[in-house]
Amino acid sequence: AQSVTQLGSHVSVSEGALVLLRCNYSSSVPPYLFWYVQYPNQGLQLLLKYTSAATLVKGINGFEAEFKKSETSFHLTKPSAHMSDAAEYFCAVTPGSGGSNYKLTFGKGTLLTVNP
Amino acid sequence: NAGVTQTPKFQVLKTGQSMTLQCAQDMNHNSMYWYRQDPGMGLRLIYYSASEGTTDKGEVPNGYNVSRLNKREFSLRLESAAPSQTSVYFCASSGVRGSPLHFGNGTRLTVT
Repeated sequence: AQSVTQLGSHVSVSEGALVLLRCNYSSSVPPYLFWYVQYPNQGLQLLLKYTSAATLVKGINGFEAEFKKSETSFHLTKPSAHMSDAAEYFCAVTPGSGGSNYKLTFGKGTLLTVNP
Repeated sequence: NAGVTQTPKFQVLKTGQSMTLQCAQDMNHNSMYWYRQDPGMGLRLIYYSASEGTTDKGEVPNGYNVSRLNKREFSLRLESAAPSQTSVYFCASSGVRGSPLHFGNGTRLTVT
C-alpha cells in the first residue's frame, strides 16, 4: 500500500520569496515520485519526476525536488516565486521498478498563491 | 500537437440522464485513464485501460462504464447520472510503465 501526504492545502508567498511545498509518502517498495502542476481550468502537467536516479531532480520553470529516503519526503522548491507560479500542485507516488500508472496515488493538492 | 482531447468541456445533466464523455490521444500511448477531481480530494482513478482491448476498475468505478474503442479513444459513460457525480473529469494517457501521465483539459459536469 502507498500514500501521499501534502502538508498544507494552501501556501501563500510573496513574489521573489522561496517556494516550499511539502510532500511525504509511504510505500512498501522503492517508489517513483512525481510533481504535477494544474493551472486554472486546465489539466495536470508534469513538473518533474524521480525514478531512482539522482536524488535531486530538476524540473520545468525553475522547480526542483529532493528525494530523501530517510525522511520519506519529496519536497518541491523554487528559489524565487513568480506570479505565474500561482497554481495547484500535486505530489504523486507509484511503485518503482517499472511501476504501473494505475497504481499512481495522488496527494490532495496544495494551492500556491503568489502575492505581489 | 493536440495531446489528449476531451469533449465536451462542460455539461449539465438532470438526475437520471445518461451521457458519454469522449477522450482521444494522438501520442500512440498504450494506457489510458479516467479520473475525477473533487475539491480537497485530489484525483481519484475511476477506470483505466492498460492496453487496447482491456479495461479495469480503479478506486471509484461505481456508476460508470468505459469503452476502449481503439488505441486512440477511451470513453466514459454515466448510465444514470446522480448529483454525487458532479465533478471535473480528466482523461489521461501514458506510454511505457512508469512514464508520466498526459492529461486532457477536463470536462466539468454538473448533475442537478
